[in-house]
Amino acid sequence: SQKIEQNSEALNIQEGKTATLTCNYTNYSPAYLQWYRQDPGRGPVFLLLIRENEKEKRKERLKVTFDTTLKQSLFHITASQPADSATYLCALHATPGRRALTFGSGTRLQVQP
Amino acid sequence: NAGVMQNPRHLVRRRGQEARLRCSPMKGHSHVYWYRQLPEEGLKFMVYLQKENIIDESGMPKERFSAEFPKEGPSILRIQQVVRGDSAAYFCASSPGTDSNQPQHFGDGTRLSIL
Repeated sequence: SQKIEQNSEALNIQEGKTATLTCNYTNYSPAYLQWYRQDPGRGPVFLLLIRENEKEKRKERLKVTFDTTLKQSLFHITASQPADSATYLCALHATPGRRALTFGSGTRLQVQP
Repeated sequence: NAGVMQNPRHLVRRRGQEARLRCSPMKGHSHVYWYRQLPEEGLKFMVYLQKENIIDESGMPKERFSAEFPKEGPSILRIQQVVRGDSAAYFCASSPGTDSNQPQHFGDGTRLSIL
């Protein structure tokens, strides 16, 4: 089944800078990859989905890239704000055809004012 | 609020008791998923259900845990004879089911504490 690695170290950046988070996966290349945001005491909230034939996807200040050769996705938040502080989770389907999601352990982002 | 509703938000049980966690999916969603999140760990898939059917229970412990999603009413995750190691946050998610690549919408979880 799929394994996902996200940087477990917290990422601290200054307000206004671009935050870049990394998601690496092993085994099969998924048809698509998802990013979620999780705040303390809350459930994950879906942010973006990117398909294998899409190199890049944008939504407002968010940008996701998907490199199936490197088996990596990058998640960017431009013009970061303190309200962006949260844990960001990368998720893939556990095996092809299954709906169960495998989540990375998440990267905690802290945006300093 | 038409989101995924879970209750209770917090549940305290003593070792050996039963825990029942409820999940009402988003309106129009017929697929429900349960995940467990242990402290400082990622979300781990437990079970996937459609109305009246368990589709995938590969992540659920073989003993003491069961799940159902009846024709009427919420989905229930049941843990019998709870032990300390069951302490975790249990999240429910739902999707419309029309397409396997639909994102899953999560509730805010039930935090289970075992004394």
